[in-house]
Amino acid sequence: EVQLQQSGAELVKPGASVKLSCKTSGYTFSNYYMSWLKQMPGQNIEWIGNIYGGNGGTGYNQKFKGKATLTVDKSSSTAYMDLSSLTSEDSAVYFCAMGGYWGQGTLVTVSS
Amino acid sequence: DIQMTQSPSFLSATVGDRVTINCKASQNINKYLNWYQQKLGEAPKRLIYNTNSLQTGIPSRFSGSGSGTDYTLTISSLQPEDVATYFCLQHNSGYTFGAGTKLELK
Repeated sequence: EVQLQQSGAELVKPGASVKLSCKTSGYTFSNYYMSWLKQMPGQNIEWIGNIYGGNGGTGYNQKFKGKATLTVDKSSSTAYMDLSSLTSEDSAVYFCAMGGYWGQGTLVTVSS
Repeated sequence: DIQMTQSPSFLSATVGDRVTINCKASQNINKYLNWYQQKLGEAPKRLIYNTNSLQTGIPSRFSGSGSGTDYTLTISSLQPEDVATYFCLQHNSGYTFGAGTKLELK
């Protein structure tokens, strides 16, 4: 069974960075792309970017270049997303997704 | 960038009703259109991929159709557990979601 288990909720201060994780199981991590998405209340879901599990090759939504950095650790079948220089506009639920499978989401709250 | 216009934004229907939700793309997306269901506090669940392919485990009352710029999700007979928000996603060029349709029971 494919599972994507995301890290827990984060409360971070403005200007700080945060690293989210998405630990996978049940499929061959190296053979698939992992996408990351952002959902803010009342707004469209946004695709942030994706990363190939095999070689770490990435593609980004232009809007999130410089904000998000995607990496993978093949040894643990885990994908990561770093979010930098956080502002209130980064407060959202972030999902990882592979094909039709989604993680449960991580709530990031940016507040002083 | 491709824009997705989803309608209606809100839908109220009775158990047993046939329900349709529409997405219109700003350009031809070659049937690269998925539909998702999201219940409160949960991650989206993919129902349909590439316009009309039913995701494994999804009830057959859900179906998708369309081509070019116009796509439709149909629920043939609404059930109480279908109360949710529904999104379309185009993945022909980048990835763009529709704004969502909130479906509730009348």
